[in-house]
Amino acid sequence: ILNVEQSPQSLHVQEGDSTNFTCSFPSSNFYALHWYRWETAKSPEALFVMTLNGDEKKKGRISATLNTKEGYSYLYIKGSQPEDSATYLCAHSNFGNEKLTFGTGTRLTIIP
Amino acid sequence: NAGVTQTPKFQVLKTGQSMTLQCAQDMNHNSMYWYRQDPGMGLRLIYYSASEGTTDKGEVPNGYNVSRLNKREFSLRLESAAPSQTSVYFCASSEEGRVVALHFGNGTRLTVT
Repeated sequence: ILNVEQSPQSLHVQEGDSTNFTCSFPSSNFYALHWYRWETAKSPEALFVMTLNGDEKKKGRISATLNTKEGYSYLYIKGSQPEDSATYLCAHSNFGNEKLTFGTGTRLTIIP
Repeated sequence: NAGVTQTPKFQVLKTGQSMTLQCAQDMNHNSMYWYRQDPGMGLRLIYYSASEGTTDKGEVPNGYNVSRLNKREFSLRLESAAPSQTSVYFCASSEEGRVVALHFGNGTRLTVT
């Protein structure tokens, strides 16, 4: 993996269901992995910044895991709600914020 | 608390015209950034400023200049706009440090005809 790749590109989930998606990144020279939530017509908002292999972070119904050795992170949403509809961006850094590389995002739509 | 404020929200330019995108943050952050967002691509860094008085090129700096006017303000200037600069521009700021989240503005949608 040379760049940051997110899958799937888009996802429709029934309200109440749980879901997850993936961010893959270069496993060498890892420094940090960011997750952002981006609602239409708003600015991206930070969810998590992760640095340690095996780390798991949680914010309400949203959680994320990190595997730096194999170069992936999962974002989980439990019991999806309509307000979870957004594009979820991940970004990888091998140094600091000036070296952040963003993925193209996973666009999540929650179906009421 | 306004966070990161960008102006204008929308702008249409003709090829060759110039303009400045303004960005201000009220969080006392040292670092500020300018990104562009194009369809099918991730956010790409144009320029950043690690502290007042310093600026550095990012991934896609050609055709742009920046000014870190003071700790609060970081402007992006297009001297001679080109259609390839049609994009959505985001300003962001962060606290000092290498493992800190970015705080984004709402974006400026620029169209160059």
